[in-house]
Amino acid sequence: GENVEQHPSTLSVQEGDSAVIKCTYSDSASNYFPWYKQELGKRPQLIIDIRSNVGEKKDQRIAVTLNKTAKHFSLHITETQPEDSAVYFCAAEYGNKLVFGAGTILRVKS
Amino acid sequence: ETGVTQSPTHLIKTRGQQVTLRCSSQSGHNTVSWYQQALGQGPQFIFQYYREEENGRGNFPPRFSGLQFPNYSSELNVNALELDDSALYLCASSPLAGGADRTDTQYFGPGTRLTVL
Repeated sequence: GENVEQHPSTLSVQEGDSAVIKCTYSDSASNYFPWYKQELGKRPQLIIDIRSNVGEKKDQRIAVTLNKTAKHFSLHITETQPEDSAVYFCAAEYGNKLVFGAGTILRVKS
Repeated sequence: ETGVTQSPTHLIKTRGQQVTLRCSSQSGHNTVSWYQQALGQGPQFIFQYYREEENGRGNFPPRFSGLQFPNYSSELNVNALELDDSALYLCASSPLAGGADRTDTQYFGPGTRLTVL
């Protein structure tokens, strides 16, 4: 079925450390994988996305890697800052809809 | 800053009532998707509208219905409200062009918080 699993559910890191969030998906036909950041009471904001024709994409301190064979993709945040604290959601495309993971609460301790 | 707007921001209803939520898509975007986000969970796809037609539906009952207007804005209607309908309702617009079978980047609105008592 259409499923996206996301781990871990919570992640605490010290300011300046790296954070990694991993997701797996079930449909090998999925070709689009966005990551959203949601702060408390606010809308999900797209922070980075990747399509299946590339294996990695970087945008400053944020990177996403994709392994289509294994059907998993990961978000990497380097040099974390307190303002990175939020809930992060991965998603995978199934047809014309996005299926989201359950989210990861990231806490960056200063 | 995304241009997707939603109204109202908050709404309180009682069981059995009906509700209409509204979404204005970002300029240049012709596709609107609706999601339900329960507390502590990821958004769940309700349906998508493209060229004023429903273009895919998630696992939601028929009492969830929608519309899209010629200016690409959209409405979500929920009839016979149940307690479990309490959630944040998000719409997302995307610049889907041409074929309706490809997911394009989706930008979310601020959501409508619905509470059903």
